[in-house]
Amino acid sequence: NAGVMQNPRHLVRRRGQEARLRCSPMKGHSHVYWYRQLPEEGLKFMVYLQKENIIDESGMPKERFSAEFPKEGPSILRIQQVVRGDSAAYFCASSIGTSGTQETQYFGPGTRLLVL
Amino acid sequence: SQKIEQNSEALNIQEGKTATLTCNYTNYSPAYLQWYRQDPGRGPVFLLLIRENEKEKRKERLKVTFDTTLKQSLFHITASQPADSATYLCALEDQAGTALIFGKGTTLSVSS
Repeated sequence: NAGVMQNPRHLVRRRGQEARLRCSPMKGHSHVYWYRQLPEEGLKFMVYLQKENIIDESGMPKERFSAEFPKEGPSILRIQQVVRGDSAAYFCASSIGTSGTQETQYFGPGTRLLVL
Repeated sequence: SQKIEQNSEALNIQEGKTATLTCNYTNYSPAYLQWYRQDPGRGPVFLLLIRENEKEKRKERLKVTFDTTLKQSLFHITASQPADSATYLCALEDQAGTALIFGKGTTLSVSS
């Protein structure tokens, strides 16, 4: 019973490069959520996806950030032209049901992005 | 907009004592509230969910209360152990029901 998998666990990018973060939900889960955790801050919701659909992206910055959850393969959070302020831990969570957050969300170990 | 506050950033207690953590929220009446544990360098782990019609919920040494009048949840760890040392997060759903809003967490340190 593999849990939520995220890779890479650590990612270093220079300003202006692209960062791609991957998330494989738990087996049988079709709902994926991305959160960002800045140093000394709480977890902040970014985007909620189901297979091939973005359900809620209200927490996602309007520029440079995008997310997808294709029919096959992991969910991808993409950050273009990274800036130092993007340095943070990015967590993916998944849930099984159709009741949104009423279902327990299972979190991955996170990807720690450092922008130099 | 909804706000969720955990009233202390850090709590230090002695082994064997009961730890009590507080979570307050404003501008919203959530149907339920969740508590998570987060260890350094790891993702949050779900602990308990309590619904608005439940006053109290227990799981082993953990107890959660939910007072919708005070807009407050209390999280208790009885007979605390050094292994309970971690950051504890409370979370409630946003008004759209699609995301969790997290407090900043309370870091608990249990000394032996």
